[in-house]
Amino acid sequence: NAGVTQTPKFQVLKTGQSMTLQCAQDMNHEYMSWYRQDPGMGLRLIHYSVGAGITDQGEVPNGYNVSRSTTEDFPLRLLSAAPSQTSVYFCASSYDLAGVSEQFFGPGTRLTVL
Amino acid sequence: AQSVTQLDSQVPVFEEAPVELRCNYSSSVSVYLFWYVQYPNQGLQLLLKYLSGSTLVKGINGFEAEFNKSQTSFHLRKPSVHISDTAEYFCAVKRGRGSNYKLTFGKGTLLTVNP
Repeated sequence: NAGVTQTPKFQVLKTGQSMTLQCAQDMNHEYMSWYRQDPGMGLRLIHYSVGAGITDQGEVPNGYNVSRSTTEDFPLRLLSAAPSQTSVYFCASSYDLAGVSEQFFGPGTRLTVL
Repeated sequence: AQSVTQLDSQVPVFEEAPVELRCNYSSSVSVYLFWYVQYPNQGLQLLLKYLSGSTLVKGINGFEAEFNKSQTSFHLRKPSVHISDTAEYFCAVKRGRGSNYKLTFGKGTLLTVNP
């Protein structure tokens, strides 16, 4: 199993550009989520999904869109990048919706917006 | 809503010394508690979790944590640290039971083990 994979590993954007961060898992997990990590802020939840076709907002959703057309994939879209979105982005998944199991994290995408 | 406070942002220790990383949470309902570790330039991985039962939880790499309901704490301990334990450690809380899937993380504690 590859676990949770994320692409790209690094990305530099200019203000106003759009892009999609890719996330895929091969563990057949129902629950997937996106976090951003900023120095001194810990991880903050952006969006999450409890299954294909079902998504919801987390703590810091503004400026980001998600969709979940398959169980495996959960892409994160930045529609118009801003310098405040410079961060490290982590995708995570877990198999149970009750939240008692661990979340498996991808290796992260380091995004810089100029 | 639940919240997590990690009381120390940085903890420097010498190799083979004991360490305690402190975590306090607030929640009006029962909770599940987790400790995750992040090694440099990597994602997070689970160290241990408390769901119910025994308040002393043992995890990987010799770490353990104790759930204290009266003090709303979940401190992480290791009796003797190694250089390889240098990493950032995150405490996280989730509301127990029900359909709230969200995991709330603390801001992290950077553990630096010096030779």
